[in-house]
Amino acid sequence: ETGVTQTPRHLVMGMTNKKSLKCEQHLGHNAMYWYKQSAKKPLELMFVYSLEERVENNSVPSRFSPECPNSSHLFLHLHTLQPEDSALYLCASSQDRGFAEAFFGQGTRLTVV
Amino acid sequence: SQQGEEDPQALSIQEGENATMNCSYKTSINNLQWYRQNSGRGLVHLILIRSNEREKHSGRLRVTLDTSKKSSSLLITASRAADTASYFCATDAGGGKLIFGQGTELSVKP
Repeated sequence: ETGVTQTPRHLVMGMTNKKSLKCEQHLGHNAMYWYKQSAKKPLELMFVYSLEERVENNSVPSRFSPECPNSSHLFLHLHTLQPEDSALYLCASSQDRGFAEAFFGQGTRLTVV
Repeated sequence: SQQGEEDPQALSIQEGENATMNCSYKTSINNLQWYRQNSGRGLVHLILIRSNEREKHSGRLRVTLDTSKKSSSLLITASRAADTASYFCATDAGGGKLIFGQGTELSVKP
């Protein structure tokens, strides 16, 4: 248990669906992140939030829409995804943005059919 | 752009042996971190080494950093079957962006 919880753990969605991934951290951290992990590829940083403000959008397609309503919660809203978006989506948090270690959630395994 | 690259991509050893994994990176860094990932799960932080440090130990883990060569190594001594996992290096070049390599898949056979 890392103090970062992601739900759901598994998600199957059609290309026309809209779904959301949720991340919650109980560590009192100020920064939160979304990463994408595809097979045989390095983890890709998608978004960085610091004190609820988006500070990094790593050229992510607009079909992925993040939301950070407070410093403990982070969402990733998904719509009209493609099969190549199937991956493990990992949320992480750290004390501050320019930081020490990151704490990861267990991830959401997303399959787009 | 990818920052860290691990070598080898896969490593298979017997229990009790030592495992060494290497990481190379391209730009200046504030620190370098190593993480472990069990299959399909989240990453777990193992150790952080700052750019002004050359070596660091944590239990059976030993990390070295050579900033002149832009490389780091992770040594796991007296490996156990439970050490079987993927190991990633990640570089922090500032701005709160941790950039990960592709990882080394370690298999420790009992």
